[in-house]
Amino acid sequence: SQKIEQNSEALNIQEGKTATLTCNYTNYSPAYLQWYRQDPGRGPVFLLLIRENEKEKRKERLKVTFDTTLKQSLFHITASQPADSATYLCAPGDYGNNRLAFGKGNQVVVIP
Amino acid sequence: GAGVSQTPSNKVTEKGKYVELRCDPISGHTALYWYRQSLGQGPEFLIYFQGTGAADDSGLPNDRFFAVRPEGSVSTLKIQRTERGDSAVYLCASSPSANTEAFFGQGTRLTVV
Repeated sequence: SQKIEQNSEALNIQEGKTATLTCNYTNYSPAYLQWYRQDPGRGPVFLLLIRENEKEKRKERLKVTFDTTLKQSLFHITASQPADSATYLCAPGDYGNNRLAFGKGNQVVVIP
Repeated sequence: GAGVSQTPSNKVTEKGKYVELRCDPISGHTALYWYRQSLGQGPEFLIYFQGTGAADDSGLPNDRFFAVRPEGSVSTLKIQRTERGDSAVYLCASSPSANTEAFFGQGTRLTVV
C-alpha cells in the first residue's frame, strides 16, 4: 500500500540555522508534491508545490527538492525564525488520482 | 476576502446521535475535500467532490459517513450513529481545480461522549 513517511520526532533548531525535513514515499509515483504548514488548532496552509520534472523550488526562505529516484522530498527553512515553529506536512499527488493524501507531519521548534 | 468556512467550530454529541458538519468553500472553487485529523496525525482523506459529484469517496470509513454537495458549492458531512472513535477534527478544503493548492478551513472539532 502507499505510504508517506515523515519523521515523527520534533526538530529543535536554533534561530538562524537551516531546518531540513524529509518526506519519503513508497508504492507511489507522484507527479507532484505539495508542502503545507499547520499551526495548532488551525487548518493546513499551502506553502509550495514541486512537480516531478523540477528538481528544486524556492519561495523566500523555503526550498524544496524532489528526487523521484530516491522517492524523497526535502524541505528546507533557511535562517529559521521562532515564527517558523509549526508542523509541516507533505502531500504527494498524482494527476490520475485526485485525492490529496498527507504524511503525519514533522514538527519544527525554532529556539530563540 | 472569504476563505473556507466550517461550522460549527466545535460540536459535542452523545454516542449514537446524528451530526452534520458544514463547509462553505471559496466561491468558484470546483474541487472540495473532506479530511479527518486525530491528534498527532496528518489529515486523513475522506472524500473528494468535483462539482456536485463525489469523484472519490474511498476514504469514508464506513456507511455511517456520508457527504453531499448538491449545488456544487456548500458541502455537508453527515455522520449517523456516532461512536466515540469518530471524535476528531474534521477539515474541509477547496481548490480552484484538482491537483492544485488546497485551501483549508479551520476545522470542526467533534467530540462524541
